[in-house]
Amino acid sequence: GAGVSQSPRYKVAKRGQDVALRCDPISGHVSLFWYQQALGQGPEFLTYFQNEAQLDKSGLPSDRFFAERPEGSVSTLKIQRTQQEDSAVYLCASSPGAGDSPLHFGNGTRLTVT
Amino acid sequence: SQQGEEDPQALSIQEGENATMNCSYKTSINNLQWYRQNSGRGLVHLILIRSNEREKHSGRLRVTLDTSKKSSSLLITASRAADTASYFCAWANFGNEKLTFGTGTRLTIIP
Repeated sequence: GAGVSQSPRYKVAKRGQDVALRCDPISGHVSLFWYQQALGQGPEFLTYFQNEAQLDKSGLPSDRFFAERPEGSVSTLKIQRTQQEDSAVYLCASSPGAGDSPLHFGNGTRLTVT
Repeated sequence: SQQGEEDPQALSIQEGENATMNCSYKTSINNLQWYRQNSGRGLVHLILIRSNEREKHSGRLRVTLDTSKKSSSLLITASRAADTASYFCAWANFGNEKLTFGTGTRLTIIP
């Protein structure tokens, strides 16, 4: 596709459930980022991949959060045993990975934990 | 948590007026970027300014960067109703592609 695609668009989970959020980056983009955005706030960095290698996961808030990009294309962000504080919009972005490349964002997945 | 701030948090102006928003950061940076976000959507890249640049223009956008004050400003001239959105600055450190975002300015253009 022409842009970054994220699915599902909305996800409602009961507290304690596991969720998986998918990101399809722009074809050929080397770098992929996950951000978490609380209501009315700026995006907060979660993790970063260069191809299939996870180079930075310093922003993952707990060991309940796990991200993968096994073939260097599609990525999945998994949250285990969801908590109410996990409710947020999860944004995925990709870039060609060359120099000062801007990020191309998807429309995000809005997660609500009840 | 954020490592910088934007001000104002919210700004309402009449269509046709100019809008200025400011961004401050705390680290040495390689570049600073501005993004726009419409409600319920992802962020869209507007403009990038490198650390060795002081001013950059793109259409109705003008960005300045003062690395000595660790601050940047975004000016939107001749605003339109379609400019209503949230605007975020974001910066990258040297050798790192990761962007750190500011807190954002919510801009409302009154027709």
